[in-house]
Amino acid sequence: NAGVTQTPKFRILKIGQSMTLQCTQDMNHNYMYWYRQDPGMGLKLIYYSVGAGITDKGEVPNGYNVSRSTTEDFPLRLELAAPSQTSVYFCASEPAGGAYEQYFGPGTRLTVT
Amino acid sequence: TQLLEQSPQFLSIQEGENLTVYCNSSSVFSSLQWYRQEPGEGPVLLVTVVTGGEVKKLKRLTFQFGDARKDSSLHITAAQPGDTGLYLCAGEEGGSEKLVFGKGTKLTVNP
Repeated sequence: NAGVTQTPKFRILKIGQSMTLQCTQDMNHNYMYWYRQDPGMGLKLIYYSVGAGITDKGEVPNGYNVSRSTTEDFPLRLELAAPSQTSVYFCASEPAGGAYEQYFGPGTRLTVT
Repeated sequence: TQLLEQSPQFLSIQEGENLTVYCNSSSVFSSLQWYRQEPGEGPVLLVTVVTGGEVKKLKRLTFQFGDARKDSSLHITAAQPGDTGLYLCAGEEGGSEKLVFGKGTKLTVNP
């Protein structure tokens, strides 16, 4: 199993541009999450999904959108990128049933200039 | 939103020393997890504790969940350079499928 994969690994965007961060998991996990990690700030939840077709906002959803059309994929869309969105983005997945285990991808480092 | 406070924020020690890092909250969590993150990588789960007073051991690492399920500690015995990393605690808000993360403790173990 590849686990959780994220692409791209690095990206530089200009202010106002848009992009999609890809996340795929091959563990058949129901739950998937998007976090951002800023220096010294831990991880903040952006959006999450408990299954295909179901998404919900986390702590910091403004400026982002998500979709979950399949169990495997959970892309994060940035519209009109802003410098405040410069961060490292992590996708994670978790099996259903109270397993309390989140598996993280390697992250995407995004810079908006 | 429930908050988790981790201390210390930074810790630099010599190989062979013992250390303890703390994770505290004024709120009750249904479970608490500890992760380790190395530079350029995603966090990796070390342990999950779910019962108040629970103690779990993972080789030289000992994890404890407070009786009231509001705090936790991670104790490392005879630290090694391979223990270097960012240690994150995360609590599950009851029934919400969401985790709240602390800001982390950055540990450096010098040879």
